[in-house]
Amino acid sequence: DGGITQSPKYLFRKEGQNVTLSCEQNLNHDAMYWYRQDPGQGLRLIYYSQIVNDFQKGDIAEGYSVSREKKESFPLTVTSAQKNPTAFYLCASSSMWGPYEQYFGPGTRLTVT
Amino acid sequence: AQKITQTQPGMFVQEKEAVTLDCTYDTSDPSYGLFWYKQPSSGEMIFLIYQGSYDQQNATEGRYSLNFQKARKSANLVISASQLGDSAMYFCAMREGRYGGATNKLIFGTGTLLAVQP
Repeated sequence: DGGITQSPKYLFRKEGQNVTLSCEQNLNHDAMYWYRQDPGQGLRLIYYSQIVNDFQKGDIAEGYSVSREKKESFPLTVTSAQKNPTAFYLCASSSMWGPYEQYFGPGTRLTVT
Repeated sequence: AQKITQTQPGMFVQEKEAVTLDCTYDTSDPSYGLFWYKQPSSGEMIFLIYQGSYDQQNATEGRYSLNFQKARKSANLVISASQLGDSAMYFCAMREGRYGGATNKLIFGTGTLLAVQP
């Protein structure tokens, strides 16, 4: 089955620690995205990548970093510089050709205490 | 700036009835796409339906249809014959146009929480 996997589903960290969220897709999509969702809110774009070895900042990139070494993988690191890291993180991918709907993974709920 | 507005934080509907979820958008780009996603309590975002700005007809996918009124910049989602499993958060989103550069970024509204009552 084609799809997007994110692991783990729940993640707990102590303040001051960096943490990396995994995102893998086997849809052969060129573009991948990371979103953050806070309770009762919509999704906000953190980073996106349209091609391997290239990525761009989204609206709320501060305190986050990404890499895109393989087409299938787009890990997100939440650094200690992120002031409010506790949130639900969603990874998505899409084709670079129309109609561009994004397919999402199941999400990772990160709690930092 | 491009923007998506969903003015209904929450809605109730009786099972088997139709319901309309509102979405208005703002963009100066002539080429854009509009999407609706469903987010059940599990958290995963499920793609429902898409409407392109140049599409002449309203999009339909099973029980979902998109009431696209371009002049009013609205893209309301209509769910016919509501089912208990339709209870979820619904998000409207817009893809930034290709005018001035290619990008597939989506801008999301704040969502509408739909509760289907038996």
